[in-house]
Amino acid sequence: GAVVSQHPSRVICKSGTSVKIECRSLDFQATTMFWYRQFPKQSLMLMATSNEGSKATYEQGVEKDKFLINHASLTLSTLTVTSAHPEDSSFYICSARSRRGGTDTQYFGPGTRLTVL
Amino acid sequence: AQSVTQLDSQVPVFEEAPVELRCNYSSSVSVYLFWYVQYPNQGLQLLLKYLSGSTLVKSINGFEAEFNKSQTSFHLRKPSVHISDTAEYFCAVSEKSSGYSTLTFGKGTMLLVSP
Repeated sequence: GAVVSQHPSRVICKSGTSVKIECRSLDFQATTMFWYRQFPKQSLMLMATSNEGSKATYEQGVEKDKFLINHASLTLSTLTVTSAHPEDSSFYICSARSRRGGTDTQYFGPGTRLTVL
Repeated sequence: AQSVTQLDSQVPVFEEAPVELRCNYSSSVSVYLFWYVQYPNQGLQLLLKYLSGSTLVKSINGFEAEFNKSQTSFHLRKPSVHISDTAEYFCAVSEKSSGYSTLTFGKGTMLLVSP
């Protein structure tokens, strides 16, 4: 239980194009999902908190116009990297908040490796 | 605000030896504590968590961690490691509050198990 998927797992794109990454909670509903970015050999940095039916909350220093987040349903959040550039190349990981069993836990997706040429 | 310190960026160990991965946190309020494991090119998997109750928590694959409030620590231990335990381990904390607070991660510790 508590499975989170991400699609695609890997994407290579040209500079200037936009890329959409999907995050799905497969066996539970998640009113809150989170988007992280991880650089090589570093920890996860929270980019934004995605709430179903409302605007995402972005962390300081994250450009909301560049990283568009949509949480249209209780099982799906999307992150769109607009006009991607090589410095946007990174490993993007989502997580979904579950309150299963009365406890509050984040379950993580497998990540998406974005390479911008 | 909370913070997490993982003092060791890398821990090399031989197979079947014991290991301890250290984690210390800083917070002005009570916290929940987590250990996540990340295998190469994969997302994070929850290894174990402390929410309340017994300060010693265990995972199904032999890891355990003990919450020590006085030392603000949540060290991860395993008495005998396997090659397959080679991975990056992240300690994380979130604050107990009326609402949900976000996770703050440490920088991670790479556990390298060799034969």
